Amino acid sequence: SQQGEEDPQALSIQEGENATMNCSYKTSINNLQWYRQNSGRGLVHLILIRSNEREKHSGRLRVTLDTSKKSSSLLITASRAADTASYFCATDAKRDSNYQLIWGAGTKLIIKP
Amino acid sequence: KAGVTQTPRYLIKTRGQQVTLSCSPISGHRSVSWYQQTPGQGLQFLFEYFSETQRNKGNFPGRFSGRQFSNSRSEMNVSTLELGDSALYLCASSFGVLGGALNTEAFFGQGTRLTVV
Repeated sequence: SQQGEEDPQALSIQEGENATMNCSYKTSINNLQWYRQNSGRGLVHLILIRSNEREKHSGRLRVTLDTSKKSSSLLITASRAADTASYFCATDAKRDSNYQLIWGAGTKLIIKP
Repeated sequence: KAGVTQTPRYLIKTRGQQVTLSCSPISGHRSVSWYQQTPGQGLQFLFEYFSETQRNKGNFPGRFSGRQFSNSRSEMNVSTLELGDSALYLCASSFGVLGGALNTEAFFGQGTRLTVV
């Protein structure tokens, strides 16, 4: 079963606007990562936030983590057409003493010119 | 630094056949993990290898297997292919093992798109 759930499932905004995506997960985590995927291609790592961190920035990206609510958000500021992609969160989940990455269903972001 | 390389990029196979996919990780990375991505199920973890040992396996039947070589390159094998195995198979490499307090980022290849007919 999916550990993470992103919402919204799809988001369409005008270029220049900010985009916010949310991720909720079920079990406790050590880390949460956000990835971007352009249409049917590989995943590009965006940012990793550890469970003891509350906020992290990388360029136009801002990620927050609320472990009490088991949720994270990804904010993309001043969006560009090139940001059109699907965005996924991934959390580490322990299975049989080892970890695996568990993925959300993704948010499809469309930036309109 | 070269990225993660997956070969082949595209593959068409017939039901009942078997297939082997290859993944070359980033130089120096010892962890390789595999994922299946389908429109219906999303991204599903298949397995992770670290220093030639399988560390973890997802909920996939025994038809899905893998291995890792001493140079960290990894192969994934699917035997007795079914139509439902049609998917994008993604490989990721990382310096350290997945998850946990020492987790490091996973870097993905472009994937192998497998179509079973």
